[in-house]
Amino acid sequence: GAGVSQTPSNKVTEKGKYVELRCDPISGHTALYWYRQSLGQGPEFLIYFQGTGAADDSGLPNDRFFAVRPEGSVSTLKIQRTERGDSAVYLCASSLNQGRGNIQYFGAGTRLSVL
Amino acid sequence: QKEVEQDPGPLSVPEGAIVSLNCTYSNSAFQYFMWYRQYSRKGPELLMYTYSSGNKEDGRFTAQVDKSSKYISLFIRDSQPSDSATYLCASGGYNQGGKLIFGQGTELSVKP
Repeated sequence: GAGVSQTPSNKVTEKGKYVELRCDPISGHTALYWYRQSLGQGPEFLIYFQGTGAADDSGLPNDRFFAVRPEGSVSTLKIQRTERGDSAVYLCASSLNQGRGNIQYFGAGTRLSVL
Repeated sequence: QKEVEQDPGPLSVPEGAIVSLNCTYSNSAFQYFMWYRQYSRKGPELLMYTYSSGNKEDGRFTAQVDKSSKYISLFIRDSQPSDSATYLCASGGYNQGGKLIFGQGTELSVKP
């Protein structure tokens, strides 16, 4: 596809469960970002990958959150022991590089609901 | 204080009106500025980006940045009902890594 693809589009889980959210970036984009958007708020940065490595994970709220990008393309955001406060839209974005042309293109997001 | 502040609205205007959306930022290290449009249940879509103070025009949209006052604006001319969406300003800096800092978003409704 031409754009950033995120799956699933919706995820409903129970408190305490483990979830994985997937992001497939635009082909050729080396930088990949995860953001979280709560209702009525702007996206908040979680983590950023340049290639396979996490260049900045300062936005991850706690150690229940973890993300990987093993081959420098698809990324998975993993949330352990989910809590109701984790309910939000999780957005993924990619950009061609991390330099001056840091134009980030977003996917439609995964809407996570923790019951 | 958030690094990027934006009036959440909602803002309602009649079709054809000129819309002014505004943000302020506090971090002097921010060097590039973007406006995204987000329709309900969709991801943000890039509208405008700029790296310097001044105006940048693209069709009915004009982005304005004043670094001296740390003020960012987006003007929409001849607004259309299809412009009804949430508008997000975002800023970043070369020493901020790759992350963008977003405002809260302004919900705009253009009435026919």
